[in-house]
Amino acid sequence: DSGVTQTPKHLITATGQRVTLRCSPRSGDLSVYWYQQSLDQGLQFLIHYYNGEERAKGNILERFSAQQFPDLHSELNLSSLELGDSALYFCASSVVLQGNYGYTFGSGTRLTVV
Amino acid sequence: AQKITQTQPGMFVQEKEAVTLDCTYDTSDQSYGLFWYKQPSSGEMIFLIYQGSYDEQNATEGRYSLNFQKARKSANLVISASQLGDSAMYFCAMRENTISTGNQFYFGTGTSLTVIP
Repeated sequence: DSGVTQTPKHLITATGQRVTLRCSPRSGDLSVYWYQQSLDQGLQFLIHYYNGEERAKGNILERFSAQQFPDLHSELNLSSLELGDSALYFCASSVVLQGNYGYTFGSGTRLTVV
Repeated sequence: AQKITQTQPGMFVQEKEAVTLDCTYDTSDQSYGLFWYKQPSSGEMIFLIYQGSYDEQNATEGRYSLNFQKARKSANLVISASQLGDSAMYFCAMRENTISTGNQFYFGTGTSLTVIP
């Protein structure tokens, strides 16, 4: 168990709709990273939040937005959904692994847009 | 240019044999970290092993070892005594430390490993 909690595990929705994915990092972890994993694009970095502030942006579409709340949980909002947004969405925390900083991932939210 | 390159989309290995999954990376940083993750069909990403750029010895973790060749910028994962449960996607990743972006990670496209009984 990574300690990073993502909900829901599965989500099926129609094109044009809006969804919210939720991530709770490990207790005490200030960082949340969001990644999108689709079949043709691999793992794509979306956005990084640290203690409520946006630290870095990757290949995040304008239709997508995220925020991190005072209790450190984060939400990724996806709007005007398209078929191509179907993917596995991960959040991760930065943790010490074998003495150095690495990622520990949540179990992911599998989004299917129909 | 790709930061992480995994040239083997798919690999097969006989059970109990060893297998090497290739990974090359591209960075101009002196300080960086290299990671391998396993993604079984259930979807979760599982951390396997880490190698720091200043580590002189190859990292080992149980049946996993990382063949680190800094001059060649390669960080191959070696799995010894393969088991059926090793069948999964394997991702190589690199962490660069930049002041502006913090711990920025880059992932390869992955290698699908199938262990044959």
